[in-house]
Amino acid sequence: DQQVKQNSPSLSVQEGRISILNCDYTNSMFDYFLWYKKYPAEGPTFLISISSIKDKNEDGRFTVFLNKSAKHLSLHIVPSQPGDSAVYFCAAKVRSNYQLIWGAGTKLIIKP
Amino acid sequence: GAGVSQSPRYKVAKRGQDVALRCDPISGHVSLFWYQQALGQGPEFLTYFQNEAQLDKSGLPSDRFFAERPEGSVSTLKIQRTQQEDSAVYLCASSYSSSTDTQYFGPGTRLTVL
Repeated sequence: DQQVKQNSPSLSVQEGRISILNCDYTNSMFDYFLWYKKYPAEGPTFLISISSIKDKNEDGRFTVFLNKSAKHLSLHIVPSQPGDSAVYFCAAKVRSNYQLIWGAGTKLIIKP
Repeated sequence: GAGVSQSPRYKVAKRGQDVALRCDPISGHVSLFWYQQALGQGPEFLTYFQNEAQLDKSGLPSDRFFAERPEGSVSTLKIQRTQQEDSAVYLCASSYSSSTDTQYFGPGTRLTVL
């Protein structure tokens, strides 16, 4: 039973355009969501997070949107740069807990 | 400063062999986590330490898996009598104090069991 789903295994975007990565969750107890970025042969690196009391959090080129009623979140990258090519993981948790529940990841390819 | 390090980076074992995977967390980090990541999947939680105490081992898939952190810093994940289904990347993460702080990951150990 996958509690966090990333339905797009890969996404290709032109450099300079917007990249939108999507994530759905099923467990209504989740109240904290994170995006991690992973390069080959490296561990995941924390990118941005959002609490369920917010619907948007922005950090430079990265914005995460949360739609609680739809149990859906998305990561927007604007403008996309070649260095953004990586696998992006969505993760969710109950904030008072430590266990992260992860999606399967979306491979983002930025085309020059 | 130094991040989380793991060794070895790659390990090939014959089925039935025992393996030991090492994690050096960020200095001063209290919380330490082990995850297993199968090919094409996200990481799955294995176990959690707060200092030297193993507070949660609910994710360990069988009693062949054992983890320790005797002095509250370096941790070792041991897998006895390895099976092919144990082939995966094993990730270690640490966080500063509270278990709810941001987790910082090491590069992982890729285990291949033949």
